Amino acid sequence: SAVISQKPSRDICQRGTSLTIQCQVDSQVTMMFWYRQQPGQSLTLIATANQGSEATYESGFVIDKFPISRPNLTFSTLTVSNMSPEDSSIYLCSVVRGRDSREAFFGQGTRLTVV
Amino acid sequence: DAKTTQPTSMDCAEGRAANLPCNHSTISGNEYVYWYRQIHSQGPQYIIHGLKNNETNEMASLIITEDRKSSTLILPHATLRDTAVYYCIVRYDRGSTLGRLYFGRGTQLTVWP
Repeated sequence: SAVISQKPSRDICQRGTSLTIQCQVDSQVTMMFWYRQQPGQSLTLIATANQGSEATYESGFVIDKFPISRPNLTFSTLTVSNMSPEDSSIYLCSVVRGRDSREAFFGQGTRLTVV
Repeated sequence: DAKTTQPTSMDCAEGRAANLPCNHSTISGNEYVYWYRQIHSQGPQYIIHGLKNNETNEMASLIITEDRKSSTLILPHATLRDTAVYYCIVRYDRGSTLGRLYFGRGTQLTVWP
């Protein structure tokens, strides 16, 4: 398994501000992803965090709103920019260990409330 | 873009087998069927996956029909800790799609004493 640590675990933020969420993995992984889970909803893939290059965003998500960094094989950040109450969600980091690995591991998530 | 259909909710008595169905009638020949679950306030957890053959591990069994248009996840002896939302996901495991998961609404399984 992979141990994934997300920080912060929760936060309450003012609208118009930005929050950066960190995802730290206990060992090197091939792929890292960011998901959003809005209240009462399923998970939605935001983007694939690519090491050393720009993230690959899913339809409906843009870099200006959700800038992502991945400086190495164990760490990634997701920033939620210019927040509004609609951004209130749980944001989850997910990793896949190797190219032959079938199993994705998830962090516990960051619960964000925008007021 | 979820390609699966699951019942919204199911109940199961503790100790009984829980059989969770999933329809994936548009599945293509090289797509796998994955099952994850999400216990309340936790991140999703991998359960099992399969391509054509039935699969079994320490958590569950996966039965895939011969035409691969549907599958059933079986928890042989459900416990209260198995209460969770169960997601059936179809995915092509090559190249840029590796690791990406597109979740549907899933099935809320409630195990009662």
